[in-house]
Amino acid sequence: GQNIDQPTEMTATEGAIVQINCTYQTSGFNGLFWYQQHAGEAPTFLSYNVLDGLEEKGRFSSFLSRSKGYSYLLLKELQMKDSASYLCAVRRGKSNYQLIWGAGTKLIIKP
Amino acid sequence: DTAVSQTPKYLVTQMGNDKSIKCEQNLGHDTMYWYKQDSKKFLKIMFSYNNKELIINETVPNRFSPKSPDKAHLNLHINSLELGDSAVYFCASSQDSSILGINEQFFGPGTRLTVL
Repeated sequence: GQNIDQPTEMTATEGAIVQINCTYQTSGFNGLFWYQQHAGEAPTFLSYNVLDGLEEKGRFSSFLSRSKGYSYLLLKELQMKDSASYLCAVRRGKSNYQLIWGAGTKLIIKP
Repeated sequence: DTAVSQTPKYLVTQMGNDKSIKCEQNLGHDTMYWYKQDSKKFLKIMFSYNNKELIINETVPNRFSPKSPDKAHLNLHINSLELGDSAVYFCASSQDSSILGINEQFFGPGTRLTVL
C-alpha cells in the first residue's frame, strides 16, 4: 500500500537545530515535498527533492534518499515563528493528484 | 494580491442543508484541487480538475460535486450535509502541465465547515 510516516510531534529550543524525518513506501516516485502549515492556516511550499542529496534554502534544508525511501527536513537557528506542522508529501506520478500526504509533524519551539 | 482565495472562511450550517464554497486562483494555473483536512490533520484529495479532465477520488460521497465556470474558478457544492462533513476544506492550484518545473501547489486559506 501507500504509506508515509512522520513523527507526530517534536519539541526544540529557540536557536537550536531540529531534524524532522519522513519515510515513505509508495508505488511510483516523482518527487518529495515539504510543506509548512501554521495553526489555522493553509499549507505553504517549503522544499522539493527528486534526486538523492541535500537541497539547501536558507535556514531550511531537505535531504532525500530514494533507495531508502527516506527524507528529512533540517531547520537551523530555530525561531519561535517556526512553530508549525511540517507535512511530507510524495508525488507518485506526473500529476499532483497523485500526491500522498503524511499526517504532519507538529513542531513546538520553546524559548 | 491573493493567489488562491476561498469564500467563506467559516461556514456553520445545519445537517441536511446544501452549501457551496467558492475558490478562485489568479496564478494562471491549469489545474485546481479540493482537499479535506479533518481533525487528525490528514490532507485528503477530493478532486482534481483541469480544462480537460475531472478526477474524482472514489471515496468522496457523490453529495460533493465540483463546478468550474472557467479556468480560474473551482467551486465545491455539498448536498445534504452530514455531521461527518465538518472539517477544513482547502482549495489549491498548480501548473501540472509543466514538465520542467516543480509544479508545487498553492493553497487557499481554507474554509472551516461546521455541521450542527
